[in-house]
Amino acid sequence: EVQLVESGGGLVQPGGSLRLSCAASGFTFSSYEMNWVRQSPGKGLEWVSYISSSGSTTDYADSAKGRFIISRDNAKNSLFLQMNSLRVEDTAVYYCARTHLYYGYYLMDSWGPGTLVTVSS
Amino acid sequence: DFQMTQSPSSLSASPGDTVTFTCRASQSIRTNLNWYQQKPGKAPNLLIYGASSLQSGVPSRFSGSGSGTDFTLTISNLQPEDFATYYCQETYSHPWITFGQGTRLEIK
Repeated sequence: EVQLVESGGGLVQPGGSLRLSCAASGFTFSSYEMNWVRQSPGKGLEWVSYISSSGSTTDYADSAKGRFIISRDNAKNSLFLQMNSLRVEDTAVYYCARTHLYYGYYLMDSWGPGTLVTVSS
Repeated sequence: DFQMTQSPSSLSASPGDTVTFTCRASQSIRTNLNWYQQKPGKAPNLLIYGASSLQSGVPSRFSGSGSGTDFTLTISNLQPEDFATYYCQETYSHPWITFGQGTRLEIK
């Protein structure tokens, strides 16, 4: 069974840093692209960051560019998001999501339960 | 950047009804459109990919259609467990991903 479990969320002051982790199991982690998607309280879904299966290619939403760093450790089946210079507006539940390329279509077919990040003084 | 606009933002319906949601892209995304269902406190769940293909395990009362800029998600014979929020997602600009703002389906 495919399983993704995020951790590392919590309360942090504006300007602070936090590192999120996502532990993957039940599939060949190194074969899949991965993403971070967030959801602010009562709001919709926002894609944050992407990393290729090898880790050689990354991309970020404008809201994350220059502050967040996505990485992965395929030997440990783990995905990470280093978040720096955090702002109040970064408060959200952060999900890791697997991208599956299926018949030419990209699907986010597996998601973790999410971890809550609260940025507040 | 792509903009994905969903309508309506909320909808009230009764069990047994048929409902249709729409999603409009700011430019053509061919059929690179997915639909997700999200229940409160839970992660999103993939329903439809490629605009009209049903994800494995999803009930056949869910269906999707459209191409280019205009897409629809239809739920026939609404069941109590279908009351949730629904999001469209374009993947044409992969790895950049854009979600619609969501449609909340409420019980009348």
